Amino acid sequence: KAGVTQTPRYLIKTRGQQVTLSCSPISGHRSVSWYQQTPGQGLQFLFEYFSETQRNKGNFPGRFSGRQFSNSRSEMNVSTLELGDSALYLCASSLHETQYFGPGTRLLVL
Amino acid sequence: GESVGLHLPTLSVQEGDNSIINCAYSNSASDYFIWYKQESGKGPQFIIDIRSNMDKRQGQRVTVLLNKTVKHLSLQIAATQPGDSAVYFCAENDSNTGTASKLTFGTGTRLQVTL
Repeated sequence: KAGVTQTPRYLIKTRGQQVTLSCSPISGHRSVSWYQQTPGQGLQFLFEYFSETQRNKGNFPGRFSGRQFSNSRSEMNVSTLELGDSALYLCASSLHETQYFGPGTRLLVL
Repeated sequence: GESVGLHLPTLSVQEGDNSIINCAYSNSASDYFIWYKQESGKGPQFIIDIRSNMDKRQGQRVTVLLNKTVKHLSLQIAATQPGDSAVYFCAENDSNTGTASKLTFGTGTRLQVTL
């Protein structure tokens, strides 16, 4: 069974721009969660989607948003990028409790 | 103030020895715990999990111990190999929040295996 895939793997943007990241979960998994990983803050939960609905949300500003499609694929969007948004963005999918992570999208904001 | 990078504790172990990685968690309501391994340039990889109604669980070469009294979790790796070199994270979840998908991660421990 294929694992979680994320695209793109690397991205460079400038301040003020917006970005959309994509995540395809493991086949059959309906829950998709997003995390931000930085050297300063570690791994932090952004939000979780289940059956196209946001089920849980972390403590991030409204510039961070996401959605989930009927095939469980998910996207997250960051608008008005700031330098501090530079991070590894990780997507995880789960069938029950155990979350399986993708390789991440490394975003660099210049 | 200016944010500083997380200082990852490092555990240096000789190949063939056993490794013990520790983690203190904060939420006494947490009832599900996971250990992940993250290699450079990759996403976290699931190693083993444990529910709060257990105090020990074993996998292949790995054992997780849970002490709810002192809110402590440990990961034991038997016969450590060079391929075990990575950063190890513990994560916790309180399923009473309505979802098992909001994990709270520890800061991580870097395991270095020396030959």
